[in-house]
Amino acid sequence: GAVVSQHPSWVICKSGTSVKIECRSLDFQATTMFWYRQFPKQSLMLMATSNEGSKATYEQGVEKDKFLINHASLTLSTLTVTSAHPEDSSFYICSASRGGTQYFGPGTRLTVL
Amino acid sequence: QQQVKQSPQSLIVQKGGISIINCAYENTAFDYFPWYQQFPGKGPALLIAIRPDVSEKKEGRFTISFNKSAKQFSLHIMDSQPGDSATYFCAAGVETSGSRLTFGEGTQLTVNP
Repeated sequence: GAVVSQHPSWVICKSGTSVKIECRSLDFQATTMFWYRQFPKQSLMLMATSNEGSKATYEQGVEKDKFLINHASLTLSTLTVTSAHPEDSSFYICSASRGGTQYFGPGTRLTVL
Repeated sequence: QQQVKQSPQSLIVQKGGISIINCAYENTAFDYFPWYQQFPGKGPALLIAIRPDVSEKKEGRFTISFNKSAKQFSLHIMDSQPGDSATYFCAAGVETSGSRLTFGEGTQLTVNP
């Protein structure tokens, strides 16, 4: 149990376009989901905490107008990268919390040309 | 005070050897200490976790040792196998905070055949 999926697994887009990434908890309900960003050979950097039915809490330095998070249900959170630029290229990973434990999705590789 | 310091940054061991990764924390409010394993291009997977009411937890070849007074915890991988080659992250959190975690910098483990 405790399976988290992400879609898409990879995406390539042109600079200036917006990209939406979905995170789903498949076999449990998650009131809290987290969004991370990871650069090559680096640790996970928490971007925001997403709570179902309320606004996301963003970490310091993360632009909330650029990285839009919506936690529409107990099993779905979405991250939209608006007006993407090459510097937004990264590995984006979500996690869902169950019983105090975070379970991670497989990640989404975003490449902005 | 929120940092979790992890060492070594990289580790090479021979097949059958013991891999040891260490982490130290400052925040005495932390009460949950998980270890995650991450393969290239994948999301982190929960390996094993410990709470401070015990000093050691073992699951198969993986053991966490926890020293509350020193604010340190470590992961021991016994009989290391080439398939264990991955990046390992320690983390620390406060369960009542909705499972928000602070991650270490990661250790890249290579197990040679």
